[in-house]
Amino acid sequence: DAKTTQPPSMDCAEGRAANLPCNHSTISGNEYVYWYRQIHSQGPQYIIHGLKNNETNEMASLIITEDRKSSTLILPHATLRDTAVYYCIVRGPLNTGNQFYFGTGTSLTVIP
Amino acid sequence: DAGVIQSPRHEVTEMGQEVTLRCKPISGHDYLFWYRQTMMRGLELLIYFNNNVPIDDSGMPEDRFSAKMPNASFSTLKIQPSEPRDSAVYFCASITPDNTGELFFGEGSRLTVL
Repeated sequence: DAKTTQPPSMDCAEGRAANLPCNHSTISGNEYVYWYRQIHSQGPQYIIHGLKNNETNEMASLIITEDRKSSTLILPHATLRDTAVYYCIVRGPLNTGNQFYFGTGTSLTVIP
Repeated sequence: DAGVIQSPRHEVTEMGQEVTLRCKPISGHDYLFWYRQTMMRGLELLIYFNNNVPIDDSGMPEDRFSAKMPNASFSTLKIQPSEPRDSAVYFCASITPDNTGELFFGEGSRLTVL
């Protein structure tokens, strides 16, 4: 079962930063935080992941709190194409029986 | 690489008919997942395989559902007999276990059971 809590929906103005929160208060020491997004009816797309340090790539930044009980995905300059459902997932190593459970996600709408 | 390939993209069938969905994972990926997505239940994990062996099928809803992976490059999800409540988008995904975290999804198979 999903181990994360996300707000069901958020709006963001085009060009502004979109900050998507995720709570994962029961995260274990060997579990990573992953973010995926799903645009319309396409398959989910990987965005970023991290263990305890903040991470940045060409798509987004991931900020993980020091106690690792929550994280924030930041889209620095949201565009209309970023309108999607964003999923926050916590998962341990695959070879120890962990899987990707997606939960309900946050539906982000970028407004012109 | 062509990515994860699923077929058919769309299937419309009548209640009681057998449905077979197919998936070709990315070459070299040794984990394969089947998901089902509906408006009501979101994205549900049905079953996953490691090295062609089913590891966890606890998400398979009923005995009407079965999945096989006869080799590293092919998997099927079968529904027999199909029911209207099986209407959904079925996604296949694959990954390597090196913890890069990028689960690659296919484009999905949209099933409609009348």
